[in-house]
Amino acid sequence: QSALTQPASVSGSPGQSITISCTGAGSDVGTYNYVSWYQRHPGKAPRLIIYEVNNRPSGVSDRFFGSKSGNTASLTISGLQTEDEAEYYCCSYTGTSTWVFGGGTTLTVL
Amino acid sequence: QVQLVESGGGVVQPGGSLRLSCAASGFSFRGYGIHWVRQAPGKGLEWVAFMRFDGNTEYYVESVKGRFAISRDDSKNTMYLQMNGLRPEDTAVYSCAKDWTKWGNCLEIWGQGTLVSVSS
Repeated sequence: QSALTQPASVSGSPGQSITISCTGAGSDVGTYNYVSWYQRHPGKAPRLIIYEVNNRPSGVSDRFFGSKSGNTASLTISGLQTEDEAEYYCCSYTGTSTWVFGGGTTLTVL
Repeated sequence: QVQLVESGGGVVQPGGSLRLSCAASGFSFRGYGIHWVRQAPGKGLEWVAFMRFDGNTEYYVESVKGRFAISRDDSKNTMYLQMNGLRPEDTAVYSCAKDWTKWGNCLEIWGQGTLVSVSS
């Protein structure tokens, strides 16, 4: 199972919106709605921010929005804040009863 | 407060074995599936293994099948990852994570991880 494809880095200014893409195949993102997104600050454990494509756990800001079209899932962060600067990973359940992560995207808030 | 604490990492020679533990607290351990994930130095996250809440079903990434075994002891609220036939490419920080559900969905709460280094 190959890793999902994410851009290595994205950047934006405070207040702007950015979108991180996550491209898989028909056997993972394209078939299952078990797509999740994680935020990781340096030295910290990953934090779940989106599950089942577009659901936010309690306590996650509504500035985080998940979506999916075909084999590509996306995470949009609106109203960028300095504390959003982190690494972001997507994850999908797959047809072989396994999970696969994306390679990670570093978000820089300029 | 939901918490997962890993232990058991260390330095081991190629071909050696280690058993990692994941001690859980703050939730009904027997009601949830648990994952193991690793991150090699300078690399991204890699999902390794998952066991459903009832211990009857387990899944592994292809690269560890036949070498790693996941298990759980509900009486101790602890998850284990037995790693045999270790290779240099298994060097990574290994973390356990509580699933959102019993059956497998997403990784809701993560531990901080324990470092495994495979080197001669």
